[in-house]
Amino acid sequence: DIVMTQSPDSLAVSLGERATINCKSSQSVLDSSINQNYVAWYQQRAGQPPRLLIYWASSRESGVPDRFSGSGSGTDFTLTISSLQAEDVAVYYCQQYYTTPYTFGQGTKLEIK
Amino acid sequence: ELYLLESGGGLVQPGGSLRLSCAASGFTFRSYAMNWVRQAPGEGLEWVSALSGSGGSTYYADSVKGRFTISRDNSKNTMWLQMNSLRAADTAVYYCAKARYGSGINYAFDIWGQGTMVTVSS
Repeated sequence: DIVMTQSPDSLAVSLGERATINCKSSQSVLDSSINQNYVAWYQQRAGQPPRLLIYWASSRESGVPDRFSGSGSGTDFTLTISSLQAEDVAVYYCQQYYTTPYTFGQGTKLEIK
Repeated sequence: ELYLLESGGGLVQPGGSLRLSCAASGFTFRSYAMNWVRQAPGEGLEWVSALSGSGGSTYYADSVKGRFTISRDNSKNTMWLQMNSLRAADTAVYYCAKARYGSGINYAFDIWGQGTMVTVSS
């Protein structure tokens, strides 16, 4: 199985500041034939289901604010929130959908400092 | 509006069975693969099972293989998860989730239901 490891486990950032969450996969999730990385990022606010933010590692889902961005390739990926807003308090998960069993990172809890 | 609505959760004894349903609306159900994802209380997300748009291809996590069965009826816009031989470790909120792009399974999950709680306890 592909293991997804996120860092850090928790993060406190001041409003308006940048937040960065990292995700490392135990093997490459890049399909070189189509040059796509099979990585998604989800946001889960308290008591809510997950919400898709980023797919193909760097494509922003419709309706997601442009302060959210994804980057990386191969085995190393990053979710960046450029200017933290109060509504961004949540747990963030990376996921690989390259091969089953699809696997998620353990989650990163983002709070306001 | 696109939405998914799970139902069928509840309290069941170890070794018992439960059937979860996921009703879809607002999109061409048969054109998309579907998934079940669960979340134990206070824990992270665990993918459970996937099903192609036609229903002809199914996939399971090792933790549920041989005990759970995923299925769908495209004429009813509904997916099910039949759960047998339930264990305490199966206690979780179960979400159904739609594949973002097509009937194949290798896509991110763009629409999620609100979830249904399954508690396995004597």
